[in-house]
Amino acid sequence: EDKVVQSPLSLVVHEGDTVTLNCSYEVTNFRSLLWYKQEKKAPTFLFMLTSSGIEKKSGRLSSILDKKELFSILNITATQTGDSAIYLCARYGGATNKLIFGTGTLLAVQP
Amino acid sequence: EAGVVQSPRYKIIEKKQPVAFWCNPISGHNTLYWYLQNLGQGPELLIRYENEEAVDDSQLPKDRFSAERLKGVDSTLKIQPAELGDSAVYLCASSLSGGSSYEQYFGPGTRLTVT
Repeated sequence: EDKVVQSPLSLVVHEGDTVTLNCSYEVTNFRSLLWYKQEKKAPTFLFMLTSSGIEKKSGRLSSILDKKELFSILNITATQTGDSAIYLCARYGGATNKLIFGTGTLLAVQP
Repeated sequence: EAGVVQSPRYKIIEKKQPVAFWCNPISGHNTLYWYLQNLGQGPELLIRYENEEAVDDSQLPKDRFSAERLKGVDSTLKIQPAELGDSAVYLCASSLSGGSSYEQYFGPGTRLTVT
């Protein structure tokens, strides 16, 4: 089945650092790519990306999609301990047009 | 606006016992999803409902899993009998439509432990 690969698998940074999380995908009939933040419970929606090169921004978080190279990045600037979570990338597309998730990047922000 | 509601939050059962999970989606969301999330993995779709119709249940292990959404609102996922390998978090999500233009909103999940 079409894959979603996230890197790194885990990351430890200090408060104030900037991090970049990567997501690459293989899919026919790509529709959209989504980022979620998952703490101890439900994944919470961050961004949905459908067009290449258009940055979406929310506070210290931003994300961009490259449909030619089949990847997306999620940037977090001036990290805080509250950013510690698993960040999940997922794509819509393929024959069944369902949401396929990557395994996530575990981010730990130390004080 | 209330989010997706799930119950129970935690469940511990012995193998071969039945178990059921309940989900109430966000009001007005026609599409409801059940996902399974194993430790260290992303959620995997089990079943998707459009109103009361199951439109994608290809990943649901039908020998022991069943689901229903009789009135097109809340839904129940059942496992009978449970096996040790069913220990996981069961997430429910909803969206306005099943199309790819609509983000999915997740509930808090039910953490199932089968002993």
